[in-house]
Amino acid sequence: DAGVTQSPTHLIKTRGQQVTLRCSPKSGHDTVSWYQQALGQGPQFIFQYYEEEERQRGNFPDRFSGHQFPNYSSELNVNALLLGDSALYLCASSRPSSRLRAFFGQGTRLTVV
Amino acid sequence: GDSVTQMEGPVTLSEEAFLTINCTYTATGYPSLFWYVQYPGEGLQLLLKATKADDKGSNKGFEATYRKETTSFHLEKGSVQVSDSAVYFCALSDSGGYQKVTFGTGTKLQVIP
Repeated sequence: DAGVTQSPTHLIKTRGQQVTLRCSPKSGHDTVSWYQQALGQGPQFIFQYYEEEERQRGNFPDRFSGHQFPNYSSELNVNALLLGDSALYLCASSRPSSRLRAFFGQGTRLTVV
Repeated sequence: GDSVTQMEGPVTLSEEAFLTINCTYTATGYPSLFWYVQYPGEGLQLLLKATKADDKGSNKGFEATYRKETTSFHLEKGSVQVSDSAVYFCALSDSGGYQKVTFGTGTKLQVIP
């Protein structure tokens, strides 16, 4: 079992550009959540996807959007990148029988220059 | 909204010393409480959890007790090892069952031989 996989591992983008990050959940998991972890901070909840719908959203602007596919994989899109979007983006997945146990991926390190 | 406050680091201890990392929370309802650990260069791993008042979570020698009366979930270990060096995050999941996780800012632990 590969666990939660995220791609790419690292990414450098220019201010104003758009970026797409990808997440494949652990086998058997149907719920995917995205978090932003700024340097030296704890992860902040962005949003959660279940059955291809956004179910919950944190305090992030509309520049942050997502998608979940029928195979439960997910994408995080960020438009009009700002320098402050530089962070580690974490994906977490969970399964119906264990809602309290979320498994995290290694993250994608995004640097905006 | 929900929030988690944990002691600031870094915490530097000698091997075999006793560890306490304080954590308090603010939440409506009856959240579940977690400690996550992030080793250098790795993703977040669930260390232990507790789902109701007076529950004690334990794993790898670490323990934490869910104290509703003091809204606390302090992490303890009787004898730390160099391999315990990592960043520790206290977190809670709201009682709505959707697993949105709110994290503290993290406490870096460095154990020296």
